[in-house]
Amino acid sequence: GAVVSQHPSRVICKSGTSVKIECRSLDFQATTMFWYRQFPKQSLMLMATSNEGSKATYEQGVEKDKFLINHASLTLSTLTVTSAHPEDSSFYICSARGLAGEGGSYEQYFGPGTRLTVT
Amino acid sequence: GQNIDQPTEMTATEGAIVQINCTYQTSGFNGLFWYQQHAGEAPTFLSYNVLDGLEEKGRFSSFLSRSKGYSYLLLKELQMKDSASYLCAVRDRKEVTFGTGTKLQVIP
Repeated sequence: GAVVSQHPSRVICKSGTSVKIECRSLDFQATTMFWYRQFPKQSLMLMATSNEGSKATYEQGVEKDKFLINHASLTLSTLTVTSAHPEDSSFYICSARGLAGEGGSYEQYFGPGTRLTVT
Repeated sequence: GQNIDQPTEMTATEGAIVQINCTYQTSGFNGLFWYQQHAGEAPTFLSYNVLDGLEEKGRFSSFLSRSKGYSYLLLKELQMKDSASYLCAVRDRKEVTFGTGTKLQVIP
């Protein structure tokens, strides 16, 4: 099956610094990538949707200047958390969608997630 | 927007069968997913239904009724490792929205 990787898997940073998270589709071209955030014991909350080569679409309440998303190629999207604060500590998960599998089904595959802790 | 409902928690016995229901309201329905998520890990894809009916995949089956806005995930021959959260997610024309998940506990 299709594989999506994320790097790093865990990161601890100091308040006020910026952190970049990479999401890669390894064996398919991801026309669309999604970034989710998940707080403990809660479901995934969509932050933004990005299509290759165009600006990301952010969900209501998500600050686009704080969560910078770049989708420069069909296999790579990055999320940069700028000026991170403790309340940004969360589990960030990317998901990639493209033409994968037999029959051309547009399945959505998740990366393993990045656990961000801001101290 | 979309509205997705699924039970918060369920408990079932090892070796038994459990059915997790999901109801949804959406405009422009374009498919329903089921994911399994173990604590601290990202979701794992289980199934995708876009047409009415039952899709069977090993011990797991997923059913969809578009007219009723209803789906269920059926887990047979439960194993302890099946203890996890099960997320129902609905796709419309633009995005996938997740339900809050059903935490399944399998007991001996």
